[in-house]
Amino acid sequence: DAKTTQPNSMESNEEEPVHLPCNHSTISGTDYIHWYRQLPSQGPEYVIHGLTSNVNNRMASLAIAEDRKSSTLILHRATLRDAAVYYCILRALRTSGTYKYIFGTGTRLKVLA
Amino acid sequence: DAGVIQSPRHEVTEMGQEVTLRCKPISGHDYLFWYRQTMMRGLELLIYFNNNVPIDDSGMPEDRFSAKMPNASFSTLKIQPSEPRDSAVYFCASSLGDSPSTDTQYFGPGTRLTVL
Repeated sequence: DAKTTQPNSMESNEEEPVHLPCNHSTISGTDYIHWYRQLPSQGPEYVIHGLTSNVNNRMASLAIAEDRKSSTLILHRATLRDAAVYYCILRALRTSGTYKYIFGTGTRLKVLA
Repeated sequence: DAGVIQSPRHEVTEMGQEVTLRCKPISGHDYLFWYRQTMMRGLELLIYFNNNVPIDDSGMPEDRFSAKMPNASFSTLKIQPSEPRDSAVYFCASSLGDSPSTDTQYFGPGTRLTVL
């Protein structure tokens, strides 16, 4: 299975942009890149996903490298409520036709007031 | 919609006992997933269903674990007999479909299981 590599933790000041990196050097051409986050004592929640092109939504932006071996989740203005563990995930399509989310270990984001 | 509902939220049991975790997916969602989260292993997919049929159970750790989905609105994950190493937070999630535009997974609040 393709894997993702993320830094264990990052810090950011409130109201500043945050760039969360993810490496996925063994990604396949059909694998989508998803980002979820997990707030304390809650289940993960969807943030954004993409395949090749950069993506924007109301929560964040996703920048995907041209060779797709890495991506960056961008929070434009971090707030205290953004403190969470951020997971970079590959949605891998198996030869069996089934697919699987492969969760990495995540990056714990701390936002400083 | 109320979101994915799991019960109980907390379960404490003794080794050897049977444990049943319950999940109600979001209405209209065709896919249901069971995950386990521990500090050591992170978040692991155990099994998932499509239209009540198990599709991939390769993540189920051993025969002590079983999952069923008797109808579109209910699923159970059973551990029999339970062991201390099963202690974890178990999440249920559901998604509308499996295409890139419908496969967003919505997670429940989780069940924290402690096996003494």
